[in-house]
Amino acid sequence: GAVVSQHPSRVICKSGTSVKIECRSLDFQATTMFWYRQFPKQSLMLMATSNEGSKATYEQGVEKDKFLINHASLTLSTLTVTSAHPEDSSFYICSAWQGETQYFGPGTRLLVL
Amino acid sequence: AQSVTQLGSHVSVSEGALVLLRCNYSSSVPPYLFWYVQYPNQGLQLLLKYTTGATLVKGINGFEAEFKKSETSFHLTKPSAHMSDAAEYFCAVSDDYKLSFGAGTTVTVRA
Repeated sequence: GAVVSQHPSRVICKSGTSVKIECRSLDFQATTMFWYRQFPKQSLMLMATSNEGSKATYEQGVEKDKFLINHASLTLSTLTVTSAHPEDSSFYICSAWQGETQYFGPGTRLLVL
Repeated sequence: AQSVTQLGSHVSVSEGALVLLRCNYSSSVPPYLFWYVQYPNQGLQLLLKYTTGATLVKGINGFEAEFKKSETSFHLTKPSAHMSDAAEYFCAVSDDYKLSFGAGTTVTVRA
């Protein structure tokens, strides 16, 4: 199947700093990518849809100024958590469709101290 | 809007026993249905999917699922559990390229 990678896999940052997470489709092009957030022992919640060459679409309740998404190429989407706070600590997962299947990255564990 | 209900947040089975994970969905259109597995601190791996055609779908690692439109169900089964099947399992339905996930079912396998 298709491969989606994420970098970094884990990041620890201080409160108030910004963190950038990269999501890449390694062997296919993706005009659309998705960003999810997963709290411990919970399901995945869609945060936003990243669209190559245009603005991202955010789900209700997700602050677009806090979670900046850039989809500058057909294989790369980035999520920047701005002015991170401890409550932003979570597992962030990206995904992309190839054909009839959505493939997921390995996730990024963010810990904000 | 689509939604998914997974019955049972935790299933415990003995090694070699049948694994049955239940999933019911609601959809206003013919659904695409998926089962994913997640191991600790990892992303999701596709087990199997139903799009069209045969309603009994076989996936990886010996899992299979049957789409029953009349029951709006897509239950996941494996005849004989292995220790490596211990993980979190998510059922999902697609809606205009967005996936809606169930709450997940944690599977533990007893030796």
